[in-house]
Amino acid sequence: DAKTTQPNSMESNEEEPVHLPCNHSTISGTDYIHWYRQLPSQGPEYVIHGLTSNVNNRMASLAIAEDRKSSTLILHRATLRDAAVYYCILRDTYFGNEKLTFGTGTRLTIIP
Amino acid sequence: GAGVSQSPSNKVTEKGKDVELRCDPISGHTALYWYRQSLGQGLEFLIYFQGNSAPDKSGLPSDRFSAERTGGSVSTLTIQRTQQEDSAVYLCASTPYTGELFFGEGSRLTVL
Repeated sequence: DAKTTQPNSMESNEEEPVHLPCNHSTISGTDYIHWYRQLPSQGPEYVIHGLTSNVNNRMASLAIAEDRKSSTLILHRATLRDAAVYYCILRDTYFGNEKLTFGTGTRLTIIP
Repeated sequence: GAGVSQSPSNKVTEKGKDVELRCDPISGHTALYWYRQSLGQGLEFLIYFQGNSAPDKSGLPSDRFSAERTGGSVSTLTIQRTQQEDSAVYLCASTPYTGELFFGEGSRLTVL
């Protein structure tokens, strides 16, 4: 499986933008970049995903480098509820290769 | 709500006993995943189902672990002769194949 590398932890002030980086230098051409987050004592929840172009949804934005070897999850205005562990994972689109490997993620702390 | 349902939410058992954990996926979702998460750790992939078949069982830690899925719906994860190192939160997720994963709240297993 292509692997991802994320910082173990990050801090951000409330109401400030947050940029969470992810490196995936061995990404293949068919890998989608997915982000999930896990709030305390809950199962992970989907945040966003993309292939080549930047993506926006109601939760966040995903900026993908031109060479696709890295990406950044952007929370435009952090709230206390955004404190969670954020996972960046790669998902192959080919049938029969659907094992999704979560790394250790980035623990985001929001400072009031 | 029609989310992923897992039961029991909490299970305390004695070492050596067998346990069964159940997952009811979202109706119509073709793929189902099991993960486990030990205290303070990331998600560890266990097994993946596409329909009733399991193309990838590579994450099952030992032959004490088994899982089945019937009718393309409910899945049961069985742990035989439980050990203390089996203590963890067991998470189930379902997906309509190419879409996002929807996780349940998990089953917390404690082996005394």
